[in-house]
Amino acid sequence: EDKVVQSPLSLVVHEGDTVTLNCSYEVTNFRSLLWYKQEKKAPTFLFMLTSSGIEKKSGRLSSILDKKELFSILNITATQTGDSAVYLCAVQGLIQGAQKLVFGQGTRLTINP
Amino acid sequence: GAGVSQSPSNKVTEKGKDVELRCDPISGHTALYWYRQSLGQGLEFLIYFQGNSAPDKSGLPSDRFSAERTGGSVSTLTIQRTQQEDSAVYLCASSLEGTSGGYEQFFGPGTRLTVL
Repeated sequence: EDKVVQSPLSLVVHEGDTVTLNCSYEVTNFRSLLWYKQEKKAPTFLFMLTSSGIEKKSGRLSSILDKKELFSILNITATQTGDSAVYLCAVQGLIQGAQKLVFGQGTRLTINP
Repeated sequence: GAGVSQSPSNKVTEKGKDVELRCDPISGHTALYWYRQSLGQGLEFLIYFQGNSAPDKSGLPSDRFSAERTGGSVSTLTIQRTQQEDSAVYLCASSLEGTSGGYEQFFGPGTRLTVL
């Protein structure tokens, strides 16, 4: 069964701390892994990773994929209160000829001032 | 359009009534997805369209749920005889259909459905 598992489920830190969010997966015919940030309703896109070992970076956020060990991490340095959100990991696979996106349950990150 | 739009943004209905949710994808996006997010839960895949056809309907929770897409653009998700457990935020996403390396899905703002 295709699945995506994120850890931790919840994380509370102080402003300025660095956090690492984890995502492990099992999916048929892996295509890519995506990270989203969800603050209210719609998730907003952060990164898409397709190649192993290549870090994607955007400001204080970075992410890397390990296709051999089937996991990805999302790092946030110098956290700010505006980083508080649910971070979703999703993996795209090709199942019976159809593209499918499987989401993890999310990590709820709370940044305290 | 500039992004994925959904309507209505909020819908309150009585148990047993039918509801129709609408999604307008980004122009030119051939793939369209419906998801559901219940309170405190992760995103649950419902159905995927490639053009007007739905190669993957595996996520539809029951035969009360149906979806269609016309003209390779607008999609409607219909829930018949709504139940209280149908209460959730229904999210639509669209993407370009890539042939390799995956692709990015862009999400709409969602429709919050409340069944009383």
